[in-house]
Amino acid sequence: GENVEQHPSTLSVQEGDSAVIKCTYSDSASNYFPWYKQELGKGPQLIIDIRSNVGEKKDQRIAVTLNKTAKHFSLHITETQPEDSAVYFCAAKPSYQLTFGKGTKLSVIP
Amino acid sequence: DAMVIQNPRYQVTQFGKPVTLSCSQTLNHNVMYWYQQKSSQAPKLLFHYYDKDFNNEADTPDNFQSRRPNTSFCFLDIRSPGLGDAAMYLCATALGTFSGYTFGSGTRLTVV
Repeated sequence: GENVEQHPSTLSVQEGDSAVIKCTYSDSASNYFPWYKQELGKGPQLIIDIRSNVGEKKDQRIAVTLNKTAKHFSLHITETQPEDSAVYFCAAKPSYQLTFGKGTKLSVIP
Repeated sequence: DAMVIQNPRYQVTQFGKPVTLSCSQTLNHNVMYWYQQKSSQAPKLLFHYYDKDFNNEADTPDNFQSRRPNTSFCFLDIRSPGLGDAAMYLCATALGTFSGYTFGSGTRLTVV
């Protein structure tokens, strides 16, 4: 089955700096890669996703890059704000289910 | 707004007392999933429905059951909750097996 590794597990950045979270996956059949933001006590919210026929996607301060050959994808958040503080999960989907990474706790220090 | 709604948000149950969590959706998605998420961990898939077809994960305990009476509703039944079943339970929906998920807000289950 699919295996998703996510790094780092915790990340602290100063407000205004950039944050980068990296994930690798194992199943070359995976063709859909979403990123979720989960705030304390809430369900995960989709913030951006990318499909395997695209190398990069951007939405305002958030961007995702995908390298299919190397089987890794990354989340980039620019100009971080305190409200970006949350746990971020990457995921990969080769078939019917998403396989999640273990999450990154991002803390943005004002 | 179309969405996935989970009730209740917080549920306290006694050790061994059956409990049911509910999920409803207005998205008309044909796939519904139940995930268990323990503190500081990634969500773990328990089972999913593709329309009426039920699919159980191999390592989902028999203590967990599910029902999907129609497209809009899905229930998670825990027959005899143990202390180790305390977790956040997340419902998600998808339009087809190759689409992204929409999650509900989750139900936080406490077992006393």
